[in-house]
Amino acid sequence: EDKVVQSPLSLVVHEGDTVTLNCSYEVTNFRSLLWYKQEKKAPTFLFMLTSSGIEKKSGRLSSILDKKELFSILNITATQTGDSAVYLCAPYSGGGADGLTFGKGTHLIIQP
Amino acid sequence: GAGVSQSPSNKVTEKGKDVELRCDPISGHTALYWYRQSLGQGLEFLIYFQGNSAPDKSGLPSDRFSAERTGGSVSTLTIQRTQQEDSAVYLCASSLGGELTQHFGDGTRLSIL
Repeated sequence: EDKVVQSPLSLVVHEGDTVTLNCSYEVTNFRSLLWYKQEKKAPTFLFMLTSSGIEKKSGRLSSILDKKELFSILNITATQTGDSAVYLCAPYSGGGADGLTFGKGTHLIIQP
Repeated sequence: GAGVSQSPSNKVTEKGKDVELRCDPISGHTALYWYRQSLGQGLEFLIYFQGNSAPDKSGLPSDRFSAERTGGSVSTLTIQRTQQEDSAVYLCASSLGGELTQHFGDGTRLSIL
């Protein structure tokens, strides 16, 4: 059975801090891993990681995948209150369901 | 620009009633996905469509759940004889065929009294 574990489950930091969110996974036929940010409603896409060791960056956010150790991290530097959200990671296995297996997410709260 | 549209945005109904949730994907997206997010839980994959066909229905929680998609566009998720444990946000997403990035709708918040 596919498994996705995100840590920490929740995190409270102050504006300006740097945070690292973790995602470990066990899926068969792994193809890629996706990160989403979910605020009040629908998740919004952040990154798709397919190759190991190649960092993807978007502004203050960056992410990297380690396919040998089966994990990914999402870094946010110089955090802002607008970064407060649930961050979801989802490995894509390309199995029969062709969907994504989502972790429970990390609830990040940025205090002013 | 038109994103994924879901309706209704909120639905409150009594236990035992049937409900129908609608998803209108991004134009041109051939793949459509239904997820459920219960309070405090992660996203649970329910079913996906490639075109009008659903190759794998094993994610549906029970036989009270069914989904269809016609014309390769709009999809409906139907829950019959609703139970309180069906209360959740039901999210729909679509993607270009073979493209992994899924674009989500805002969801339907379903509350069963």
